[in-house]
Amino acid sequence: AQTVTQSQPEMSVQEAETVTLSCTYDTSESDYYLFWYKQPPSRQMILVIRQEAYKQQNATENRFSVNFQKAAKSFSLKISDSQLGDAAMYFCAYLRLPFYGNKLVFGAGTILRVKS
Amino acid sequence: AAGVIQSPRHLIKEKRETATLKCYPIPRHDTVYWYQQGPGQDPQFLISFYEKMQSDKGSIPDRFSAQQFSDYHSELNMSSLELGDSALYFCASSGAGASYEQYFGPGTRLTVT
Repeated sequence: AQTVTQSQPEMSVQEAETVTLSCTYDTSESDYYLFWYKQPPSRQMILVIRQEAYKQQNATENRFSVNFQKAAKSFSLKISDSQLGDAAMYFCAYLRLPFYGNKLVFGAGTILRVKS
Repeated sequence: AAGVIQSPRHLIKEKRETATLKCYPIPRHDTVYWYQQGPGQDPQFLISFYEKMQSDKGSIPDRFSAQQFSDYHSELNMSSLELGDSALYFCASSGAGASYEQYFGPGTRLTVT
């Protein structure tokens, strides 16, 4: 079974600075997808960024980017120019293929605090 | 853009009662997922449906059942409720193009007293 590990229960960052959240996963599959979801205090689950395992290029979405190291099974999220609105719980998630109806496997989450 | 709709948003039930949670996926999405999130925990997968057929099943209690209807909306039925069923229940949907992305609804907060 696939597992996802987020080793940082909590992180803090100063507004406008950069922070990196770590995620490792365990799988025997060669093709899969990885995601980062954000859960603010409203508890809404918001998709932040995705990465297809077959792609070597790291995904970017505005201030959010990932460092995907397939061999090391590592998938970290970098948030640049941190804003107060970035404060939330961040979940790393794994999706096995084929993906129709397949579940997301989540890590335990990292609470990100942004200081003004 | 239209999002996933869940109803009700809040539900309070007593032990041993029954609850029904509804989910309306994003238009043209054909796959629906149910997740349960306890306080301070990550979402745990319950069950999913693709084209109205059960696709995958997680640690869903036998007291729970779900189905997807012809209009693709889904309902999660929960019977003989226990205190431990108190949680946030998310529905997510995917399909139509970037079908591997799961988009979550706002959740239904169930409190069992």
